[in-house]
Amino acid sequence: QSALTQPASVSGSPGQSIAISCTGTSSDIGGYNYVSWYQHHPGKAPKFMIYDVSNRPSGVSNRFSGSKSGNTASLTISGLQAEDEADYYCSSYTSSSTYVFGTGTKVTVL
Amino acid sequence: QVQLVESGGGLVKPGGSLRLSCAASGFTFSDYYMSWIRQAPGKGLEWVSYISSSSSYINYADSVKGRFTISRDNAKNSLYLQMNSLRAEDTAVYFCGRRMMTTVSAVDYWGQGTLVTVSS
Repeated sequence: QSALTQPASVSGSPGQSIAISCTGTSSDIGGYNYVSWYQHHPGKAPKFMIYDVSNRPSGVSNRFSGSKSGNTASLTISGLQAEDEADYYCSSYTSSSTYVFGTGTKVTVL
Repeated sequence: QVQLVESGGGLVKPGGSLRLSCAASGFTFSDYYMSWIRQAPGKGLEWVSYISSSSSYINYADSVKGRFTISRDNAKNSLYLQMNSLRAEDTAVYFCGRRMMTTVSAVDYWGQGTLVTVSS
């Protein structure tokens, strides 16, 4: 199972909106609404931000939103803040009843 | 509150074995699927394995199948990963994670991780 494809880096100024794409196949993203997103500050435990494509767990800011079209999922961060600077990973359930993560995206707040 | 604490990492030679543990607290461990996920130095996250609440369903990534064995002891609130025939490419921080109860899609709590280094 190959990793899902994410851009290596995305940057934006405070207050702007950015979007991170996550491209897979019909065997993972395209086949299920089981996409999740994680925020990871190196050295810390990853934090889950989105589940089931677009659902936000309690405690996660509504500045984070998720969507999916075909084999590509997206995470949008609106009103970018300095604290959003981190690595972000998507993940999808697969047709093999396994999971696959994305390649990861480093978000930089300019 | 939910806590997951991994232990058992360390330095091991290629071909060697190591057993990781994950101690869970703050929730009813026996109700949840659990997973192991790893991150090699400078690389992204990689899902390794999961186990169902009763140990009935287990699955592994192709990269570890036949070498790693996941298990759990619900009486001890503990998750394990037995790693055999270790290779340099298994060097990583290993995280244990709790899968959400209401959906298969997400790991809602993660431990801090334990570092495994495979080197001669």
